[in-house]
Amino acid sequence: NAGVTQTPKFQVLKTGQSMTLQCAQDMNHEYMSWYRQDPGMGLRLIHYSVGAGITDQGEVPNGYNVSRSTTEDFPLRLLSAAPSQTSVYFCASSSLTIRDYGYTFGSGTRLTVV
Amino acid sequence: AQSVSQHNHHVILSEAASLELGCNYSYGGTVNLFWYVQYPGQHLQLLLKYFSGDPLVKGIKGFEAEFIKSKFSFNLRKPSVQWSDTAEYFCAVKWAGGFKTIFGAGTRLFVKA
Repeated sequence: NAGVTQTPKFQVLKTGQSMTLQCAQDMNHEYMSWYRQDPGMGLRLIHYSVGAGITDQGEVPNGYNVSRSTTEDFPLRLLSAAPSQTSVYFCASSSLTIRDYGYTFGSGTRLTVV
Repeated sequence: AQSVSQHNHHVILSEAASLELGCNYSYGGTVNLFWYVQYPGQHLQLLLKYFSGDPLVKGIKGFEAEFIKSKFSFNLRKPSVQWSDTAEYFCAVKWAGGFKTIFGAGTRLFVKA
């Protein structure tokens, strides 16, 4: 089925550990982004990409790295996890060539940092 | 800075009641407007969108929203809610010329059967 696939669905990390959240889409979308969802704060943009090799920072980029080597994949890296990064992370993609296109979201990754 | 405000964080309604959720954004210019819904335990899904034309847009499941440019608002409405509408609703705005979409904090709707 076409869509956005995120792995893992759940993860527990210890403070200081590193990990990569995976995101892949098979819709040939140019735009991909990472959001974190925290209670009462909605979704806040971490990083986004408008194509392979092109990334930029969103509202809350600190502590996170991204790269976009292919159109399909947009991994999010936590280099040294902190309890403040406990959150639900969503990857979303969108077409930039079809004008009135909203986001397609992945099912999310629930991350707990202890 | 660009921002999106949703007026109510929690709304409780009885079935068949009418719903209106408020959404305002920080400043004008050409905007693309969205409402997304997140059912319990699920990811966000697009409910409706406005890009241009008729400011009253209709979405899935009987929802509609009205864009009022002079008020920088894009309120979501439904004439008669059902228990299955229990979810969190997010307003989102994308300003023309940019790529980022900014989300509001969300409104949790609980519909009593």
